[in-house]
Amino acid sequence: AQSVTQPDIHITVSEGASLELRCNYSYGATPYLFWYVQSPGQGLQLLLKYFSGDTLVQGIKGFEAEFKRSQSSFNLRKPSVHWSDAAEYFCAVGASGTASKLTFGTGTRLQVTL
Amino acid sequence: DTGVSQDPRHKITKRGQNVTFRCDPISEHNRLYWYRQTLGQGPEFLTYFQNEAQLEKSRLLSDRFSAERPKGSFSTLEIQRTEQGDSAMYLCASSLVASGSDTQYFGPGTRLTVL
Repeated sequence: AQSVTQPDIHITVSEGASLELRCNYSYGATPYLFWYVQSPGQGLQLLLKYFSGDTLVQGIKGFEAEFKRSQSSFNLRKPSVHWSDAAEYFCAVGASGTASKLTFGTGTRLQVTL
Repeated sequence: DTGVSQDPRHKITKRGQNVTFRCDPISEHNRLYWYRQTLGQGPEFLTYFQNEAQLEKSRLLSDRFSAERPKGSFSTLEIQRTEQGDSAMYLCASSLVASGSDTQYFGPGTRLTVL
């Protein structure tokens, strides 16, 4: 069974500082990996995804993530955080192929101080 | 492309009542998913459809829950005899299955409160 661990429940960074959110997954084959962001009371917005190929993927809003098979990780990064980035971030794994459900981590809440 | 829409956005009901939620996927998306998200948790998979066929159901989907997608377009999720434990955000997502990819796009969710 696939699973996702997001070790950090809550992270606080200063505006303009760099950001790294951790994600570790468990899956027997090459996974599909996703990062979503959720603002309070809202649905999830896709930031980026990894299916295959280049292990460094670029997303929207200046985010990027790197797939490291040896570490079973897919950490999300941003070089300079903006106050509007404050939200809940979810990492998710899906089975490769055209299969179905996503398994999400418990999320990391990002607070940005001015 | 107007995105995934869900109705209603909020629903307050009393324990024991039935509720029904609607999801309209992105047009031409052939897959539609339902997830449930409780406070402080990530979304949990409930069920999904490919066109009008319901292909997988989670163990979370008790017999009080039923989902339909009658014409392969919109979907409804009904909860019968609601319980306080059903209070959660119900999220719908849709995708267009293509070779080697299945990216799910989420709607704004329906927040259910059972009193």
